[in-house]
Amino acid sequence: GIQVEQSPPDLILQEGANSTLRCNFSDSVNNLQWFHQNPWGQLINLFYIPSGTKQNGRLSATTVATERYSLLYISSSQTTDSGVYFCAGYYGGSQGNLIFGKGTKLSVKP
Amino acid sequence: AAGVIQSPRHLIKEKRETATLKCYPIPRHDTVYWYQQGPGQDPQFLISFYEKMQSDKGSIPDRFSAQQFSDYHSELNMSSLELGDSALYFCASRPGLGAYNEQFFGPGTRLTVL
Repeated sequence: GIQVEQSPPDLILQEGANSTLRCNFSDSVNNLQWFHQNPWGQLINLFYIPSGTKQNGRLSATTVATERYSLLYISSSQTTDSGVYFCAGYYGGSQGNLIFGKGTKLSVKP
Repeated sequence: AAGVIQSPRHLIKEKRETATLKCYPIPRHDTVYWYQQGPGQDPQFLISFYEKMQSDKGSIPDRFSAQQFSDYHSELNMSSLELGDSALYFCASRPGLGAYNEQFFGPGTRLTVL
């Protein structure tokens, strides 16, 4: 079936810690995107990463499309990193709508 | 850089009322998507438009309809509102169809049905 699975579902960190979030996706899903949903509900684009590795400041992402997974790395976490992180991919049979995972809820404590 | 604009940002309606949500895509983006996110849920695809024509349909109730206008903005019309329609509604846009470019989301409209 069409699946995008994220782990862990919840994560609590102390400020300054590093973390890795994982997204597994099925064969019919591709061209992953990572989003951060802040406590006000806004969905913020982090990475569009069909394959390979990208970095943006303290965040980086890697997608290994052949093995159907993507990783989001957060280094030196800050309280403003709190929120829900979603990965989403395009379903091959669609006209480009995204299929989302259930998200990882991150809480960074001061 | 210009982003996707949605209005209103917040909306409170009574059961059985109607609501219209508006979306203004990023300039030169001709594809628009609508998503619904219930409390504690992930966003779910509702409907999409490309060049003013409906391109795909997801789990959109029959009580909802949408269209894309000549200036590429889109409106989601919701009738006979139910308590379960309370959610965040996102609009997203990108250039063209196909699955090879990034999709950008607006700030969302938070609809509360009382």
